[in-house]
Amino acid sequence: DVKVTQSSRYLVKRTGEKVFLECVQDMDHENMFWYRQDPGLGLRLIYFSYDVKMKEKGDIPEGYSVSREKKERFSLILESASTNQTSMYLCASSLDRALVGYTFGSGTRLTVV
Amino acid sequence: AQSVTQLGSHVSVSEGALVLLRCNYSSSVPPYLFWYVQYPNQGLQLLLKYTSAATLVKGINGFEAEFKKSETSFHLTKPSAHMSDAAEYFCAVSDRDLYNFNKFYFGSGTKLNVKP
Repeated sequence: DVKVTQSSRYLVKRTGEKVFLECVQDMDHENMFWYRQDPGLGLRLIYFSYDVKMKEKGDIPEGYSVSREKKERFSLILESASTNQTSMYLCASSLDRALVGYTFGSGTRLTVV
Repeated sequence: AQSVTQLGSHVSVSEGALVLLRCNYSSSVPPYLFWYVQYPNQGLQLLLKYTSAATLVKGINGFEAEFKKSETSFHLTKPSAHMSDAAEYFCAVSDRDLYNFNKFYFGSGTKLNVKP
């Protein structure tokens, strides 16, 4: 089975801190995605990547950046964390043009205080 | 861009009763459609998918969904609810446009509560 691993299940950070959320997948998937999940809003796409060193903005990229230096790793960066970035963050990966859907990580619940 | 509407943010059924979770999408061209389930403090798991083969799709845990092009719907059903079905369910659409091929659009989710 494909595994998508998010390095932290729970994180508490202070306002203004730089925050790194890490995601690693073990099945050589080309595509990786970062979503945030908030009650009543469902999943919203922050950034995605179709290849190493390639990134595309999703629907809500403001306040975030990403890095994909290796195929298996996709990092989400909060340059200066704010309280409105308190959320559940989900990483996902998929094969290029595959119809099997996404494989999701278990999520990171980030609280910014 | 696609949009996905899930009617009812919360649905409550009794154990053994029919489960019906509604999903409508906006595309005029039949897209690829998916249902995901999320248990508390976990990521999303794929329940089932429609990719232009049979319109009635069977998934895991006894769930199934029917694609109805005329209604732009992909409702999720299960004949008899079990306590373990309590979770949040997300409908998702993948656009067929080549550039957006692997980009999903999610509904806002429906939380299913199962009463004993």
